Amino acid sequence: DSGVTQTPKHLITATGQRVTLRCSPRSGDLSVYWYQQSLDQGLQFLIQYYNGEERAKGNILERFSAQQFPDLHSELNLSSLELGDSALYFCASSLHGTVNTGELFFGEGSRLTVL
Amino acid sequence: AQSVTQLDSHVSVSEGTPVLLRCNYSSSYSPSLFWYVQHPNKGLQLLLKYTSAATLVKGINGFEAEFKKSETSFHLTKPSAHMSDAAEYFCVVSDRRDDKIIFGKGTRLHILP
Repeated sequence: DSGVTQTPKHLITATGQRVTLRCSPRSGDLSVYWYQQSLDQGLQFLIQYYNGEERAKGNILERFSAQQFPDLHSELNLSSLELGDSALYFCASSLHGTVNTGELFFGEGSRLTVL
Repeated sequence: AQSVTQLDSHVSVSEGTPVLLRCNYSSSYSPSLFWYVQHPNKGLQLLLKYTSAATLVKGINGFEAEFKKSETSFHLTKPSAHMSDAAEYFCVVSDRRDDKIIFGKGTRLHILP
């Protein structure tokens, strides 16, 4: 158990809809990262927050947004969903804002299916 | 710019035989390198990391990797495969200057009985 909690584990919705994925980082970790994993694209970095502030942005679509709250949990909002958004969405956390000397702790993911 | 290439998308070995998963990296500065493992329907877990100390790094579950600067490689090895090693393995590079991490596309390891 990594200590990172993601909800929901599975989500099925329709095109055009909006969903929110939630992540609680490991106790004491200040950084939260969101990744999208699909068969064709592999693991794609979406966005990172550190202590409530956006720290780095990756391949995140404009239809997607995220935030980190004062209690350090984070939410990833996906709107105007398309079939291609079906994927496994991972949250990871780390103690610091920098990753090159530490490690990331991953949750078990939220599997989104868009029909 | 940094990049990472995992040379095999699938590797199959028999139980009890050695495992070799290949990774080459490109980094304009001194990199940190990691291997992560993902078991089916699970999140990624750190196996081992290299951050400029010893070039031979030992990780969990008997895995190790050697940083070879001259070959820009960080191959993952294990002397004897176990059925429980069947998973997907990701090589990761991080450049200490820009603090971005890049994941490889992954290598799926199959263990044959």
